[in-house]
Amino acid sequence: KQEVTQIPAALSVPEGENLVLNCSFTDSAIYNLQWFRQDPGKGLTSLLLIQSSQREQTSGRLNASLDKSSGRSTLYIAASQPGDSATYLCAAEQTGANNLFFGTGTRLTVIP
Amino acid sequence: NAGVMQNPRHLVRRRGQEARLRCSPMKGHSHVYWYRQLPEEGLKFMVYLQKENIIDESGMPKERFSAEFPKEGPSILRIQQVVRGDSAAYFCASSQPGHNQPQHFGDGTRLSIL
Repeated sequence: KQEVTQIPAALSVPEGENLVLNCSFTDSAIYNLQWFRQDPGKGLTSLLLIQSSQREQTSGRLNASLDKSSGRSTLYIAASQPGDSATYLCAAEQTGANNLFFGTGTRLTVIP
Repeated sequence: NAGVMQNPRHLVRRRGQEARLRCSPMKGHSHVYWYRQLPEEGLKFMVYLQKENIIDESGMPKERFSAEFPKEGPSILRIQQVVRGDSAAYFCASSQPGHNQPQHFGDGTRLSIL
């Protein structure tokens, strides 16, 4: 069964700093790896989707990478802003399954 | 609003009552997924539906829980005879057919059992 882990569980950084969030998964048979943002009391906002044949995806200040062989993905946030404060979730869409397997998230706080 | 719509946003029930959670997918999306987020835990898959069909309910508890996605109207997640352990946030997502299609999530229904 797919297990998705995110480290650290919480992270605080000063505004302007670059940071990396980590995600690992146990089964490399995936269609894709997705990163989401969740604000308190809200749903999930899709940030980036990396297909299994891709190595990375970029959107603005966000860059996500995928290394299937090692079972790892990272989300890089450049020049962090207080508005980036949220919980970041990664999820794997596993082949043969119809759903996403989620990590428990990293709660990011960007301090002004 | 073209997003995934869930209602109600908050639902309070007493033990033994029924809870009905509704989800309208994004326009053009024919696939609906329900996930549950227990306090301090990650989202767990419950069920995957297409119009009038349950495709995968492997994450659904065997008793008291049911889901439907009728030809007309929203998808419904129904919990009968609720217990305290059902208290959670329930999220619905929708997507277009096929793999590598991003799932778009609603804001969830927060269910509290008294």
